[in-house]
Amino acid sequence: DTAVSQTPKYLVTQMGNDKSIKCEQNLGHDTMYWYKQDSKKFLKIMFSYNNKELIINETVPNRFSPKSPDKAHLNLHINSLELGDSAVYFCASSLLGTGTNEKLFFGSGTQLSVL
Amino acid sequence: GQQLNQSPQSMFIQEGEDVSMNCTSSSIFNTWLWYKQDPGEGPVLLIALYKAGELTSNGRLTAQFGITRKDSFLNISASIPSDVGIYFCAGQLRTSGSRLTFGEGTQLTVNP
Repeated sequence: DTAVSQTPKYLVTQMGNDKSIKCEQNLGHDTMYWYKQDSKKFLKIMFSYNNKELIINETVPNRFSPKSPDKAHLNLHINSLELGDSAVYFCASSLLGTGTNEKLFFGSGTQLSVL
Repeated sequence: GQQLNQSPQSMFIQEGEDVSMNCTSSSIFNTWLWYKQDPGEGPVLLIALYKAGELTSNGRLTAQFGITRKDSFLNISASIPSDVGIYFCAGQLRTSGSRLTFGEGTQLTVNP
């Protein structure tokens, strides 16, 4: 059973389009995250939700909108895609999200290519 | 934002050799985590460290939480070809909630 699963694995699209990435975790965790990995493999947090509530919102263009219908799901919608949005996006989850003795578990990533 | 300095950036070693990599920061962390990322996959947690001075092993991997709480190292003994990948350190500041700060990664290549 996949603990943190995200779809699609690959996403190729034209500039200006709107796209969504879905994430689900079956670990019973309270907190979910979106991370972006750039071409140099640097991982940077974008958003974090704890039990459907937004708790971390880094400096991310407002074209990116996360949505958490329940604590097991965190989707990422991106409007008006730009070339610079091309990256690998990782969903992750952790048990409590309190920052104490936390471990993050990652999905396998979505490779987004904007043409 | 907070930076973690991870070194080396890349390593090319022969199978059977031992490997060491480390992360340092100017800030104090209350948690250090080490992850490995294989091509096309997400980072997988290898070792978690929660106390200053803590030394933890996971098979051939050993990691330590520095006494000053500003550094951590990861050792891999007797490397094998499947150790190839990118290794990331990650830390949590006491004041940053669940936000993880990642190092820049160490790309490990093991020649058979």
